[in-house]
Amino acid sequence: NAGVTQTPKFRILKIGQSMTLQCTQDMNHNYMYWYRQDPGMGLKLIYYSVGAGITDKGEVPNGYNVSRSTTEDFPLRLELAAPSQTSVYFCASSYMAGSLDTQYFGPGTRLTVL
Amino acid sequence: DAKTTQPPSMDCAEGRAANLPCNHSTISGNEYVYWYRQIHSQGPQYIIHGLKNNETNEMASLIITEDRKSSTLILPHATLRDTAVYYCIVRVAGGGGADGLTFGKGTHLIIQP
Repeated sequence: NAGVTQTPKFRILKIGQSMTLQCTQDMNHNYMYWYRQDPGMGLKLIYYSVGAGITDKGEVPNGYNVSRSTTEDFPLRLELAAPSQTSVYFCASSYMAGSLDTQYFGPGTRLTVL
Repeated sequence: DAKTTQPPSMDCAEGRAANLPCNHSTISGNEYVYWYRQIHSQGPQYIIHGLKNNETNEMASLIITEDRKSSTLILPHATLRDTAVYYCIVRVAGGGGADGLTFGKGTHLIIQP
């Protein structure tokens, strides 16, 4: 099992550009999440999905969009990049059954918007 | 509106037990205590969780006080690779995506050689 994989590892964007951060998991997990982590801070939830075709907003959704067409993939879209979106982005997944909903995280995507 | 309070940093000698405290005085009866850690530049990693009984796995032990208002994560024989930020999180198990995991700033544990 590869677990949770994210691409790209690093990216530099200019203000106003768009991009998609890719996330794939091979554990057949129902739940998937996108977090961002600013320097020296904890993680904040951007969006989450409870299954294919179902997504919902987290704490900081503005400026982002997501889709979940398959169980495995949960891409995060930035439409008009802004310097405030400079951050490290982590994707995670969980099975979510009773007390078994530990989350498994990918290695992260480091995004800089200039 | 922090649910947990942790010291910002701690040191521990290599080979000794590392004891990381966490206060969660407003914890509800159906909320679990979870611990994750984040080694520099990596994604967070699950360590352990518990409701009210003490728990142990291959990575650590979790001691929860009887009133459940605080807990301690114990790494029995700390190594240099245990240097990381440790997050204590309280949430309803199986709460799923309603609010994900709420990460504070955690405790930066530094293992000294």
